[in-house]
Amino acid sequence: KAGVTQTPRYLIKTRGQQVTLSCSPISGHRSVSWYQQTPGQGLQFLFEYFSETQRNKGNFPGRFSGRQFSNSRSEMNVSTLELGDSALYLCASSLESSGDTEAFFGQGTRLTVV
Amino acid sequence: QKEVEQNSGPLSVPEGAIASLNCTYSDRVSQSFFWYRQYSGKSPELIMSIYSNGDKEDGRFTAQLNKASQYVSLLIRDSQPSDSATYLCAVNGRKSSNTGKLIFGQGTTLQVKP
Repeated sequence: KAGVTQTPRYLIKTRGQQVTLSCSPISGHRSVSWYQQTPGQGLQFLFEYFSETQRNKGNFPGRFSGRQFSNSRSEMNVSTLELGDSALYLCASSLESSGDTEAFFGQGTRLTVV
Repeated sequence: QKEVEQNSGPLSVPEGAIASLNCTYSDRVSQSFFWYRQYSGKSPELIMSIYSNGDKEDGRFTAQLNKASQYVSLLIRDSQPSDSATYLCAVNGRKSSNTGKLIFGQGTTLQVKP
């Protein structure tokens, strides 16, 4: 059974640009969560989507947004990139709520902002 | 007080020994607990989930949960050099503001020496 697929794997962007990251969850999984991982802050929750609805959002500025499509695939967007947005962005897929059932991570998208 | 706390380590054990990784959490109503393994430069990989007090064994791994003490641990028996990684403890967020998200500790780095 295919795992969680994130694209692209690596991105280099310039400050002020915007970026869109994609996540395809495990087939049958309806919950997609996004996390940012940095050496200093660890894994920080961005948001969770379930059945195309954002159910929760972490403490990130409005420049971070996301959406989920009817096939459960999800995208996250970061506008007006800042140097501090450089991080590993991880998508987690779970059957129901990612807080209650096992969540499986994709390989991540490593974003570098220069 | 951090919501999920782990000793950052490194925890160094000889090959064949038992590695004991510990985690405490602050939210008394948390119901789901997970251990992830993350190799350097890779994404987190789920290795254990535990929902009830007591022990849960899976191969060389045993997760232990004590909700009264708000404590969860992971034991790795017969440690191998390939177990060298960072181990992340994750707890579900049951407060309304934490719905649908996992709260991660900073991780414990394990080094298994041949």
